[in-house]
Amino acid sequence: KAGVTQTPRYLIKTRGQQVTLSCSPISGHRSVSWYQQTPGQGLQFLFEYFSETQRNKGNFPGRFSGRQFSNSRSEMNVSTLELGDSALYLCASREQGAGETQYFGPGTRLLVL
Amino acid sequence: TQLLEQSPQFLSIQEGENLTVYCNSSSVFSSLQWYRQEPGEGPVLLVTVVTGGEVKKLKRLTFQFGDARKDSSLHITAAQPGDTGLYLCGGFKTIFGAGTRLFVKA
Repeated sequence: KAGVTQTPRYLIKTRGQQVTLSCSPISGHRSVSWYQQTPGQGLQFLFEYFSETQRNKGNFPGRFSGRQFSNSRSEMNVSTLELGDSALYLCASREQGAGETQYFGPGTRLLVL
Repeated sequence: TQLLEQSPQFLSIQEGENLTVYCNSSSVFSSLQWYRQEPGEGPVLLVTVVTGGEVKKLKRLTFQFGDARKDSSLHITAAQPGDTGLYLCGGFKTIFGAGTRLFVKA
């Protein structure tokens, strides 16, 4: 099976802009989670989607949002970008009923100038 | 306060040496996952440990889950430069340690 794919891999934006990142999970995986990774804070959970519904949300401001489509593909959006939003954004998919094991994509590196 | 504490934070060793990294918590986990991450890439799953006291081996890597399911360790035998990377432990699907950055010198 193909792994988790994320697009784009790299992105440069300026403060105040918005950005949309895309994630395609492993075929058959219906759970998709998003994470932000920075050198200072490590890997932090943003939100999880299952069957197009947000099931869990981390401690991030409302500027961070996401959605999931009927084919399990997911997008996350960050509005009004701030310098501190520069990070590696990772998506992970999980097979329902297979415990807590999840598989990560390669990430999208976002740089906010 | 990190729910999962990893130690050491950084490790630089010579090729051929052995090492152990630790993942500790005061909470009980139903399972813990170990990942290795290389710069600019996503974490790659190495193993999931589920049963207290469980030991799993992956070539030169040995993973152990504590009897009380509050801690785990990763032991690497005869480290190689290809083992270089950030080792992360994770649990409860959304909780991750800060990681151990390993550098193996040839």
